[in-house]
Amino acid sequence: AQSVTQPDIHITVSEGASLELRCNYSYGATPYLFWYVQSPGQGLQLLLKYFSGDTLVQGIKGFEAEFKRSQSSFNLRKPSVHWSDAAEYFCAVGPTTSGTYKYIFGTGTRLKVLA
Amino acid sequence: GAVVSQHPSRVICKSGTSVKIECRSLDFQATTMFWYRQFPKQSLMLMATSNEGSKATYEQGVEKDKFLINHASLTLSTLTVTSAHPEDSSFYICSARDRGWGRDTQYFGPGTRLTVL
Repeated sequence: AQSVTQPDIHITVSEGASLELRCNYSYGATPYLFWYVQSPGQGLQLLLKYFSGDTLVQGIKGFEAEFKRSQSSFNLRKPSVHWSDAAEYFCAVGPTTSGTYKYIFGTGTRLKVLA
Repeated sequence: GAVVSQHPSRVICKSGTSVKIECRSLDFQATTMFWYRQFPKQSLMLMATSNEGSKATYEQGVEKDKFLINHASLTLSTLTVTSAHPEDSSFYICSARDRGWGRDTQYFGPGTRLTVL
């Protein structure tokens, strides 16, 4: 079955510290992979996506993610976190094998940034 | 980047009334849009897939007669919550699929907070 796992429900880092948010997936083929960020009371903003090619992808706001097929992972990283990065982060995989192009979302990781 | 809008951003209604939420893709055409529901501090729950010019596809457990979806144009999908009850209070988010080589991606609206009294 297709699934996405974000093992960390909450993560707290100090401002200026590095960040890595984990995402593992189960999928029958090479998936499309996405990271979205959601601020409280807001919709989801696309940070970055992977379709094919270079396994290290750069996104907005200084984020990057690396696709590792052998580990079925797509971890999100940022070298230096800013207080404004505090938000909920969702990893998603698509399309589903049903062909409807639905996404499967992880349960999210809530990031808290300490001043 | 692709922009998706939702209207209204916030709505309060009385129990038994119907509420319509609009989702628009502003700078691209979307043959497929999605409607999600999000409970506090939880992930998104897909309710239905909205297809332009055809009937929506509902996820298991979602009442299609209660959550009416219309996708009348390539830039507009609407979700109508009929005979709303307090348990329908939630955050509703839409997304629009931007197709195209190398960019097949869902872009999300800002969400609509529905409160049913």
